[in-house]
Amino acid sequence: GNSVTQMEGPVTLSEEAFLTINCTYTATGYPSLFWYVQYPGEGLQLLLKATKADDKGSNKGFEATYRKETTSFHLEKGSVQVSDSAVYFCALFANQAGTALIFGKGTTLSVSS
Amino acid sequence: DTAVSQTPKYLVTQMGNDKSIKCEQNLGHDTMYWYKQDSKKFLKIMFSYNNKELIINETVPNRFSPKSPDKAHLNLHINSLELGDSAVYFCASSPGTGVEKLFFGSGTQLSVL
Repeated sequence: GNSVTQMEGPVTLSEEAFLTINCTYTATGYPSLFWYVQYPGEGLQLLLKATKADDKGSNKGFEATYRKETTSFHLEKGSVQVSDSAVYFCALFANQAGTALIFGKGTTLSVSS
Repeated sequence: DTAVSQTPKYLVTQMGNDKSIKCEQNLGHDTMYWYKQDSKKFLKIMFSYNNKELIINETVPNRFSPKSPDKAHLNLHINSLELGDSAVYFCASSPGTGVEKLFFGSGTQLSVL
């Protein structure tokens, strides 16, 4: 079946450090891939997405590239800020009727000044 | 105006009780969802409705019954609450079933004592 695997957290970084959160997926066909972010006490918000191989999603300094050959969608940011502290979820949509967004287990990021 | 609003935000109750969580969206979306987030932040789809019709029903106990009186509302009723039902429940909506982007409510934290 379809699934998403994320690196275990928590990830603890100092401000301005480089961030990578790994995400790999298993899916039949050609899924769409997403990163969602959850700030403390809030619901999830879409951060970025990519709908086909080699697409790069980007938003707020975050980037992720859809790599079909490695079935990956790693999230990166060149210089994190304290305000980036949140839980990050990689997600997959199989583009099939009757299915829903499938989330990874989330990675908690904590950035200190 | 809050796009997806759910009430209550916190719900503390005893085992065996029956409770409801309400969700409303003012985005004009056709599709609504209920997700359950456990203590380890793992998010799992429970139900999805499109124009008041059930389209996704994952393996959820019969004690959970969603109700959609119109396409702007999707309520969740839970009978005979158990300790394992303690979690954060998120309502979400999307324009169609394609899940290009999900809009999440801020969650209902349910604690069963």
